[in-house]
This record gives sequence, C-alpha cells and structure tokens, in this order.
Amino acid sequence: GESVGLHLPTLSVQEGDNSIINCAYSNSASDYFIWYKQESGKGPQFIIDIRSNMDKRQGQRVTVLLNKTVKHLSLQIAATQPGDSAVYFCAEIPWLSGGSYIPTFGRGTSLIVHP
Amino acid sequence: NAGVTQTPKFQVLKTGQSMTLQCAQDMNHEYMSWYRQDPGMGLRLIHYSVGAGITDQGEVPNGYNVSRSTTEDFPLRLLSAAPSQTSVYFCASSSGLGDTQYFGPGTRLTVL
Repeated sequence: GESVGLHLPTLSVQEGDNSIINCAYSNSASDYFIWYKQESGKGPQFIIDIRSNMDKRQGQRVTVLLNKTVKHLSLQIAATQPGDSAVYFCAEIPWLSGGSYIPTFGRGTSLIVHP
Repeated sequence: NAGVTQTPKFQVLKTGQSMTLQCAQDMNHEYMSWYRQDPGMGLRLIHYSVGAGITDQGEVPNGYNVSRSTTEDFPLRLLSAAPSQTSVYFCASSSGLGDTQYFGPGTRLTVL
C-alpha cells in the first residue's frame, strides 16, 4: 500500500454520508489554496481551489470553505462514494509579491469510505 | 495530452551512486517543480523553475541538482545518493507561479 498514508489522521464514513475534511494553515499572507486527492500509488490530483477574496466555492459534489479569521480551510464531499477513498491534503500558496515562492502542503487526512 | 510524465517509476540505488529522475510535460507550462513525499509528511519542494534556463531552490535542495534546457523537460539529479533520500519524488507543472499544479505519477526511490 501507499506508505504516505501511515500515521495520518483518518476519517471513516459510510457510503452516501457527507464528509468534511479540515485543514489549518499557518501563513496569513497565503493568497491561494488548493485541495488535492491522492490515491494509493498515484500522484496528487487537483480537486478544487479558492482564492483569499472568497469564503466559499463549489464544484461537483465538493465545496471548499475558507475562514481567514482563524486560518482554516475545509473540504466538504457530498454523498461520499467508495471511489472517494484516498488521502486528501490542502496546499497554501503565498502572495507572490512578498518573499520566495514555496507552497506549503498539509500532511493530509486519509478518507475511508465503507460500502 | 499525456500531462506530466516521470521515469522511472521505481529505482533502487546504493549509497554513493548517482542517477537522474526524468520529468516531462506536454502542456507548454512555464513553471515546473520537484517535490519529495515522505511517510506522514506533506510534500516538500526541492527545486523549481519558472522557465527554460531559470531554476531556484525550494525548501530541501541539498543533495539535488536541476537544469531546465527546454520548456518540456526538468530532470532531477542525485549526485551521490544517501539513504536519507529514500522517498517518493513528484514532478509538477503549472502555467504560472501560484497556479494549479498538475502532478506526475511519481518515482519511488530507495537508497540502500
């Protein structure tokens, strides 16, 4: 299996439930945030993004919420399916006019969906 | 489009050996980067490039070299492999700094 999943927080849900995965970010200057999905043995896959001038963005079955006051990001997956089982992690991208460009990635949360 | 491709998928090296991890993209992206992913940790940026002929260091550059002679290719070189470089390596590209990055499938490297 994918060793990157070891020692990660785990969220177990039943098929059809809604899932909420959380991410705390550290840099108040971060301007852009991305959620990725990583299946075992594969590279990260873009799910949804949000800019700092928004607090909510919706995609197909997914919603990202951004709370800049407490530096918190969440990913909501509606009607979770077994194919959603993967590691999910967030990335924060700093505002480019300051400092060097080094995105910061969270460790991730392992989502397990039970049929 | 093939997107971002990486070779090899798996590699085992002995300490002190050198090798090059290959990365190519066919999306005409200017920005390319290399990350390593270790168990229980987030991706960490090794090196990145904002265009052909331009490279810069990321968070963990020591022990790695890169070059960018073309827009399409961004190889990562390990000059003298060490066990601490055992990891999964991902290459990514994007149309610009701060834009969505698209990742390759990864190279699993083990250094004995």
